[in-house]
Amino acid sequence: ETGVTQTPRHLVMGMTNKKSLKCEQHLGHNAMYWYKQSAKKPLELMFVYSLEERVENNSVPSRFSPECPNSSHLFLHLHTLQPEDSALYLCASSQVHRGAGELFFGEGSRLTVL
Amino acid sequence: QQQVKQSPQSLIVQKGGIPIINCAYENTAFDYFPWYQQFPGKGPALLIAIRPDVSEKKEGRFTISFNKSAKQFSLHIMDSQPGDSATYFCAAPNAGNMLTFGGGTRLMVKP
Repeated sequence: ETGVTQTPRHLVMGMTNKKSLKCEQHLGHNAMYWYKQSAKKPLELMFVYSLEERVENNSVPSRFSPECPNSSHLFLHLHTLQPEDSALYLCASSQVHRGAGELFFGEGSRLTVL
Repeated sequence: QQQVKQSPQSLIVQKGGIPIINCAYENTAFDYFPWYQQFPGKGPALLIAIRPDVSEKKEGRFTISFNKSAKQFSLHIMDSQPGDSATYFCAAPNAGNMLTFGGGTRLMVKP
């Protein structure tokens, strides 16, 4: 148990669906992240929130829409996805969003887009 | 943009062997080089990290060696065990002081 909980663990959706991934951290951290992990690429940083403000958006397509309503919760809203978006989506948190801080990852949400 | 090149992509060793995983980075805003370990069905977790005012750091059976002039660092696992079978990721800070991860090494330790 890392203190970062992701739901759902598995999700299958069609290209026209709208779904959301949820992340909750119980560590009192100020920064939260979304990473994409696919088979043939390194861990890709998607979004970073610090104190509920988005501080990083790594050229992610607009079909992915993050939301951070408070410092403990992070969502990733998904709509009109493509099959190549199928991947493991990892949420992480840390005390601060820059510097040599440890990242605490959740177990991920495995997304399959049909 | 920071790139971190990790090798090999996969590695198989016998129990008791010493797998070595290598990483090379381009530039870094500051010296902090962590290794993360990921088991199937789990997220990555910090294994060991080095802040190179030293060239080597050891924690239990895991050792990081760092060569600043070559911009390389490596992970050695002494007396490897089947329970060490996992995917290992190195990382280095980019210009924005956030971590860029290597491509991962899938390690299998055979009994």
